[in-house]
Amino acid sequence: SQQGEEDPQALSIQEGENATMNCSYKTSINNLQWYRQNSGRGLVHLILIRSNEREKHSGRLRVTLDTSKKSSSLLITASRAADTASYFCATSGTYKYIFGTGTRLKVLA
Amino acid sequence: SAVISQKPSRDICQRGTSLTIQCQVDSQVTMMFWYRQQPGQSLTLIATANQGSEATYESGFVIDKFPISRPNLTFSTLTVSNMSPEDSSIYLCSVDGAGGRYEQYFGPGTRLTVT
Repeated sequence: SQQGEEDPQALSIQEGENATMNCSYKTSINNLQWYRQNSGRGLVHLILIRSNEREKHSGRLRVTLDTSKKSSSLLITASRAADTASYFCATSGTYKYIFGTGTRLKVLA
Repeated sequence: SAVISQKPSRDICQRGTSLTIQCQVDSQVTMMFWYRQQPGQSLTLIATANQGSEATYESGFVIDKFPISRPNLTFSTLTVSNMSPEDSSIYLCSVDGAGGRYEQYFGPGTRLTVT
């Protein structure tokens, strides 16, 4: 399977703490994206990092990419209860997207 | 960004029957994607639908089981045929961002339960 792996599979933290989740992938990529999914609904795009970028910020989100290790991390700072969701990485090589296994984040108020 | 709607939002179906899921986009798009998300799992691409041509299916998915229509640039349907309980999943359609933007926009999904 070409599917990426994410760890941890599940993460539970207190509100205000930082959450870090990791994604590893198997093939060469053009870009890597992170998505959020609330309660089995549609996915919402969070951030995209291109293969020639190493770090990117968007609000409370920080994404890093290490193409030599074929890995990425998503950091959510100062987490809120509303951040409770599943987070997926997705890699894009040609026209199609391959999604990772996902991390279920629970932020406790 | 694109706004995508799906119908139905959920359904409970008996095994052996078929269900057609509709996906409507508020703008014209070249490619539409259909994904399956089994309970507690990640998304798996079923097929890519281009207007005016046959859909391209991923390994493990066949046209007889998941026929797709793409009659115009804003609409597509996915049919789940001869359903079994293993088909119970969330089915999502998506499109690429316009203007060379690589992020995908997703519909809200159709939650299918087969009994």
